[in-house]
Amino acid sequence: EAGVAQSPRYKIIEKRQSVAFWCNPISGHATLYWYQQILGQGPKLLIQFQNNGVVDDSQLPKDRFSAERLKGVDSTLKIQPAKLEDSAVYLCASSLNPQGREKLFFGSGTQLSVL
Amino acid sequence: AQTVTQSQPEMSVQEAETVTLSCTYDTSESDYYLFWYKQPPSRQMILVIRQEAYKQQNATENRFSVNFQKAAKSFSLKISDSQLGDAAMYFCAYRSNYNNNDMRFGAGTRLTVKP
Repeated sequence: EAGVAQSPRYKIIEKRQSVAFWCNPISGHATLYWYQQILGQGPKLLIQFQNNGVVDDSQLPKDRFSAERLKGVDSTLKIQPAKLEDSAVYLCASSLNPQGREKLFFGSGTQLSVL
Repeated sequence: AQTVTQSQPEMSVQEAETVTLSCTYDTSESDYYLFWYKQPPSRQMILVIRQEAYKQQNATENRFSVNFQKAAKSFSLKISDSQLGDAAMYFCAYRSNYNNNDMRFGAGTRLTVKP
């Protein structure tokens, strides 16, 4: 089966610019996650979708980050304006459902550098 | 809040030898799952092994096994017959089976395999 697709793979921007990341989950997976992984740390959940509805966005910096999942399939994560501390790898993952035992399938991430 | 601690930032092992990666977690819940994920330089997180908290039997997947000590809240990963391809970052993760069950990751352990 096809995996989780993410683009772009790398992005370099200057602070105060905006950037968007795209994710296409595995077909049939209702649950989609965006994680932020800062260098030297484990991934941290930013937002979780169930179909096209938000389940958890408690750790999303809503003053600058936004995400949507139109039609319950593809998702985009946007940062506007970017700050230096946003430099990280942004990982998208999907699972069949949000149950605790479900395996998460991850994409290869987008590495963002904010200069 | 649940926390996951990996106290070994780096570990190394000789090819064909055995290595154990440590993980402890903190929770007051009784129904949860524990995971070990591998992250190679490609950045794509890959599930290595999963353990249900209600199961006393330790999970095994080929050369990978865990030592799950529920009372001690410890969840270590043993890699037997280490191979060069095992070199990667390894993340321990906790996930509740209740609402707001985002997956919590430790900071990771970088495993080096020496030929």
